[in-house]
Order: sequence, then structure tokens, then C-alpha cells
Amino acid sequence: QVQLVQSGAEVKKPGASVKVSCKASGYTFTGYYMHWVRQAPGQGLEWMGWINPNSGGTNYAQKFQDWVTMTRDTSISTAYMELSRLRSDDTAVYYCLVIGTTWGYWGQGTLVTVSS
Amino acid sequence: SYELTQPPSVSVSPGQTARITCSGDTLPKQFAYWFQQRPGQAPVLVIYKDSERPSGIPERFSGSTSGTTVTLTISGVRAEDEADYYCQSEDTSGTSVFGGGTKLTVL
Repeated sequence: QVQLVQSGAEVKKPGASVKVSCKASGYTFTGYYMHWVRQAPGQGLEWMGWINPNSGGTNYAQKFQDWVTMTRDTSISTAYMELSRLRSDDTAVYYCLVIGTTWGYWGQGTLVTVSS
Repeated sequence: SYELTQPPSVSVSPGQTARITCSGDTLPKQFAYWFQQRPGQAPVLVIYKDSERPSGIPERFSGSTSGTTVTLTISGVRAEDEADYYCQSEDTSGTSVFGGGTKLTVL
């Protein structure tokens, strides 16, 4: 079955960067876009962008254009999301999401806490 | 920027039918997806491509579309259906967006 397993929780200081990983299994990794979504405490879902694991092409939400980088390593079926210049309001749970032709699955989420 | 609009909350009694709407200008041209999120858990896909139900999702969940509005319908609501529900779709450039979410309360 499809599984997305994300890296563990992170605590970062303002101005630092964080890189979250999402290891995929149970489907053809290069066949479907990998989305990244975040959820601040008590807030709704916010789409950050996607990466095409086949080509490496990306599409970022305008809000995140200058400070998010999405990459992938097809040899280990893993996608990465790196957010730079962290601020306190970047504290959130970060999810990866893949949507197939008849299914969709989320990672378990990675809590990133930004605090001085 | 493109937006999807959902009501903040919907309340129903057990056994009744809950309807959650999502409005957006490109919904006539782009598919909508619905996700259920229980407290403290990752979201789960309950409807894809406007009205299709993934394997394992109960038949009481259904989706429909009319013009610029898509609707998630939960028939015979159960206590376990109490959750936040989010619609998601794309604009024509492939940029995705989520609705603001609807909290379903089972009275």
C-alpha cells in the first residue's frame, strides 16, 4: 500500500533553514506530483507547492516563491522541502501529499517549531 | 489569487444529512477534492475528481458539482464523522489551493 514517511520534528531558531524529507513507497514515485502543505496551530491547510519527481520541475505558491525549495532523489524515492529564513510564524506541521488517479495519501506530518 | 470559499461550520444531528459547499470560479473547469481531518491527525482523501470515492471510504460520503460550487454530502451522519473538511482544487496554471475548511459538528 502507499506510504509516505516524513522526517522527525525540528526546532529551529529564527533565520535558520529547515529541510523536511518524505520517503514514498507502494507506488511509482516518478509517476505523480508530490505536494507540500502546511498547517499552523489551529489554522487551515495551506498549499506550498509541488514537485514533479520525474523531471524535477516545480510549481511554488506565490507566497513561498523566494524561500522554499523542493527537490527529490529518485534513487531512494524521497522528496524534500527546504524552507529558509525561518520566522516564528513558520511554526507549523508540514505535510507531503500525493494524489494518484483514484487515491490520495498524506505523510504523517512534521512539526517545525521556530523559536529563539 | 485564486480562492475557494467554504462555510466555517455545519452542524447536524446523528442520522441526518450534512452538506458542505465549496465555491470557486474555476470549479466548472477543474476537479475538486475533499479531505477529512480529525483532531490531531493527518487529512484523509474522501472524494476525488468532484464525485469519486476512494476505496475504503464509506458510501455515505458523496460529491457533486453545479456551476461554480461543489458539494460534499454525508448521508446518515455518525459521531465519527465529526471533523474538519477541506476542499482543494487548482487554477489553470496548476497552482493548487485549499478552501478555508468547514468544521462539522455532530450534535
